[in-house]
Amino acid sequence: EVQLLESGGGLVQPGGSLRLSCAASGFTFSNYAMSWVRQAPGKGLECVSLIDGPGDNTYYADSVKGRFTISRDNSKNTLYLQMNSLRAEDTAVYYCAKDRPPVAFDYWGQGTLITVSS
Amino acid sequence: DIQMTQSPSSLSASVGDRVTITCRASQGISHYLAWFQQKPGKAPKSLIYLASNLQTGVPSRFSGSGSGTDFTLTISSLQPEDSATYYCQQYHSHPRTFGGGTKVEI
Repeated sequence: EVQLLESGGGLVQPGGSLRLSCAASGFTFSNYAMSWVRQAPGKGLECVSLIDGPGDNTYYADSVKGRFTISRDNSKNTLYLQMNSLRAEDTAVYYCAKDRPPVAFDYWGQGTLITVSS
Repeated sequence: DIQMTQSPSSLSASVGDRVTITCRASQGISHYLAWFQQKPGKAPKSLIYLASNLQTGVPSRFSGSGSGTDFTLTISSLQPEDSATYYCQQYHSHPRTFGGGTKVEI
């Protein structure tokens, strides 16, 4: 059974940093691209970043480019999102999602809430 | 970036009704279009991929169609458990982008 478990969320001050983790199980982690998708309170979905299976290629939404860094440790079956220079508008639930071509995001974690506030 | 526009943003329908949601891409995306269902407080769930392929376990009352720039999600006979917000997403190019969502109320 595929499982994705996010952790690392919480309250952080504007300008602060946070690192999210997503522990994966139930599939060969290194074979699949992974993504972070966020949802601000009461708003829609935004794909903030994606990384390919080996970790060689990364993609970012313009809204986080230069501030967020996606990475993965395939030996630990874990996806990360390093978030720096956080802003109030980064407040959201952050989901990790597994990308299976050609299905796109076939499995999602339960999400972790980030609140950026003083 | 490719912009995805969904309509309507919300709708109210009765059990048994046929419901159609549309999604338009700002440029051609071939058939690289997915639909997701999200219920309050839950993660999105994959319904349809490649515009018209039903994800395993999804009821057959859901269907998708379209290619290029115009796509539709149809629920042939609305059920109470279909109350949710539906999102389209293009995965033709990066960054992957979602439509704004359609809230379906029973």
